[in-house]
Amino acid sequence: GAVVSQHPSWVICKSGTSVKIECRSLDFQATTMFWYRQFPKQSLMLMATSNEGSKATYEQGVEKDKFLINHASLTLSTLTVTSAHPEDSSFYICSASLPGYRVGNTIYFGEGSWLTVV
Amino acid sequence: AQKITQTQPGMFVQEKEAVTLDCTYDTSDQSYGLFWYKQPSSGEMIFLIYQGSYDEQNATEGRYSLNFQKARKSANLVISASQLGDSAMYFCAMREPSNTGNQFYFGTGTSLTVIP
Repeated sequence: GAVVSQHPSWVICKSGTSVKIECRSLDFQATTMFWYRQFPKQSLMLMATSNEGSKATYEQGVEKDKFLINHASLTLSTLTVTSAHPEDSSFYICSASLPGYRVGNTIYFGEGSWLTVV
Repeated sequence: AQKITQTQPGMFVQEKEAVTLDCTYDTSDQSYGLFWYKQPSSGEMIFLIYQGSYDEQNATEGRYSLNFQKARKSANLVISASQLGDSAMYFCAMREPSNTGNQFYFGTGTSLTVIP
């Protein structure tokens, strides 16, 4: 099946620094990728929809300047957490859908990234 | 209204027994897709099974089957012959058509623990 790879799996950064997380679709072209944030024992919260070649669409309440999303190619989207603070510590997971707007197109997820800001 | 409702925060099942995880959904669309994902403690989201709104038969994938009751808007996941490795969070999700094709909704999840 389709494979989505996310890197890094674990990252620890100092407060005030920026950290970048990559999401790659390995065997298909993903015109759209999604970024989620998940708190412990909670569901996935959609942060933004990343569209190749255009600006990402952010969900209400998500700071665009803090969570920079770039979708430079059909196989790569990046999430940069800028000026990270401890409250940004979380599990971030990306996903991509097979091309086409069919409801049967499932979403495939990356492995997720655990971010800890110290 | 919640698009996807999972009313069981936690479930326990004896190894080798079957277990049903509940999921109800809310949509006014005729065409939609229903999905179940498994999330072990490592965090990855694993796709388990898919049911289309027009599918007349319940979907099955190995030990997983989806009990699709359209009139009740329910899409329960049945895991047969539970194994210790089935212990994980399980999320029900629905996809609706939209202009962008990107409306995907998740439930709050059910934590399943398989007891030896």
